[in-house]
Amino acid sequence: SAVISQKPSRDICQRGTSLTIQCQVDSQVTMMFWYRQQPGQSLTLIATANQGSEATYESGFVIDKFPISRPNLTFSTLTVSNMSPEDSSIYLCSVAYTGETQYFGPGTRLLVL
Amino acid sequence: QKEVEQNSGPLSVPEGAIASLNCTYSDRGSQSFFWYRQYSGKSPELIMSIYSNGDKEDGRFTAQLNKASQYVSLLIRDSQPSDSATYLCAVNRNAGNQFYFGTGTSLTVIP
Repeated sequence: SAVISQKPSRDICQRGTSLTIQCQVDSQVTMMFWYRQQPGQSLTLIATANQGSEATYESGFVIDKFPISRPNLTFSTLTVSNMSPEDSSIYLCSVAYTGETQYFGPGTRLLVL
Repeated sequence: QKEVEQNSGPLSVPEGAIASLNCTYSDRGSQSFFWYRQYSGKSPELIMSIYSNGDKEDGRFTAQLNKASQYVSLLIRDSQPSDSATYLCAVNRNAGNQFYFGTGTSLTVIP
């Protein structure tokens, strides 16, 4: 399995601002994903981060709101833009190697006031 | 119809008992199935994966898959208080790593 770190681990932000979350893996991975988990809810896939190209977004999520970068095989960022209280959530990075199994990072807990 | 459905619980079992967690999925073409455990305030942790019909055992955990009935289950034998967590069922519909998660079943093991 992978050793995955996320920064920041938590943050409190004001509405209208943006926050960039970083995901770092200790080895090269094939796939990287970003999920959101709202309080008491299950995980919702935001997008698949593609190395060297634009991320693939799921229905209901758009690049202007959640821009994603993946400059190499071990690192990705998710930005939550123009935040509102509805964006308060846990944001999780996950990775997969050559197989299908996904491993999750520790998450970033975001509160928007 | 949701892609993956789980009974949200809560499910309570006494210590030492067998906990049975169930999950159904809608896409008959789904190929891969996973169980994750999530402690409160933590991220999901993979417990087991299963790909073929039948049972797969790993220590106290047994995953069961029945593709004809489109369900997958997780049995936890000799349940311990440390097993108290939310258990998430995930289904991969195709080889593109597109996971669908259930809402999770909350399990409490009572000492």
